[in-house]
Order: sequence, then structure tokens, then C-alpha cells
Amino acid sequence: NAGVTQTPKFQVLKTGQSMTLQCAQDMNHNSMYWYRQDPGMGLRLIYYSASEGTTDKGEVPNGYNVSRLNKREFSLRLESAAPSQTSVYFCASSIPGKQETQYFGPGTRLLVL
Amino acid sequence: GENVEQHPSTLSVQEGDSAVIKCTYSDSASNYFPWYKQELGKRPQLIIDIRSNVGEKKDQRIAVTLNKTAKHFSLHITETQPEDSAVYFCAAILSGGYQKVTFGTGTKLQVIP
Repeated sequence: NAGVTQTPKFQVLKTGQSMTLQCAQDMNHNSMYWYRQDPGMGLRLIYYSASEGTTDKGEVPNGYNVSRLNKREFSLRLESAAPSQTSVYFCASSIPGKQETQYFGPGTRLLVL
Repeated sequence: GENVEQHPSTLSVQEGDSAVIKCTYSDSASNYFPWYKQELGKRPQLIIDIRSNVGEKKDQRIAVTLNKTAKHFSLHITETQPEDSAVYFCAAILSGGYQKVTFGTGTKLQVIP
């Protein structure tokens, strides 16, 4: 049982490049989330997926897109990276209504030059 | 939407002393309040939580109190140890269906040996 996994762990991009951050969970959780963490700003929700087949915007969705590929996988795509997207990205999953604990992945550190 | 304020942003205590971190929330409908601990370079992990029908919860050296009327909740760590040094995040959640999660901005706790 690996919990929540994320790839890659670290990535350097040039402005304008695109990339997809991958997230998978093996806990059979319905809901999955993408957060970004910046110094002094805590965890801010980018997008979430309440269940397979649904996605919704969070607090800071601009510049990102997501895909809930199946119940296990939830990917985050940056179509044209900008220096303002330099951050640490965390994926999380949970079972809403039963256990509200969010289980976080190890994070992806992204640097956009 | 929900707004969570967390104070202080940094806190230094001597080993063995107590530490208190406070959070206030704005949405009276929020009904679940977890606390996460994030060690340097690691993922956030749940350490304790409290639901709106409970005023206090304790787990060994860690306790959380909730004042629904004033809409604030606090984390108390007694007999602090160097391994308690980390960033602590509070969150306010409207449970049920999709969990609307709002995190505080974090408190960096340093326990001085």
C-alpha cells in the first residue's frame, strides 16, 4: 500500500514549456486534490475532483488544467509554464463524508526559469 | 468563502515549555478542524483533529480546543521536544459531500534544546 504517489519529485522548466504532474493513490479514495505551497501562504487549492469523472476549480486555477483519468489517477498540467508557477505541488486524496483526513503525496518541487 | 487566519507565523520555545497556536475561521458552517504537521522537505501529515460537537480533544502531549461561538480553535503542545520542530497548519472543513478545505498559512515552530 503506497498511499499517494507523485512524479516527478523535482523538475526544472523554461518559461513557456509544458509539463504534466502525475498523482496516483491506491487507497480507493473518491476525492483527489492538487495544492500548491508557497512560503508564507500555506496550502492553496488549485483543482479538486470530488469523484471519478468530475473536476472543479479551487482557489488558484489559472494556468493549470487537470484530468481525473480514473479513480486512482489525477494529473495536473501546466500548458505554458511561468516563473510565478515556481512552487511545491502536493496531491492529496480523501473519502469525503466518512473520513475527512487528507492524505498527501510527497510533493513535486517545480522551478520555472 | 471560508477564511482561516493562523497565528503566530513563527514560534520559538525552549525544550520542555508549552506551545500554543491559534486559528480563527469565518464560516460558522465549518464542522471539522484538523491540524497537520509538516517537517522540512516532507509532506503534511495529520496529527490531531476535532469536530464541531466536541470542545476539546487530547492525544498524549497534543491537545486541540474549539470555541464555536468565537469561531476559533487552538493547538496545544506540552513538554515540547526538538522533534516537535516543524510547520503546523490548521484547516477548517465543511464536511460531507465534497469537503471544502481551507488551510491556515502555517506556523513555524522551533524548539530550542
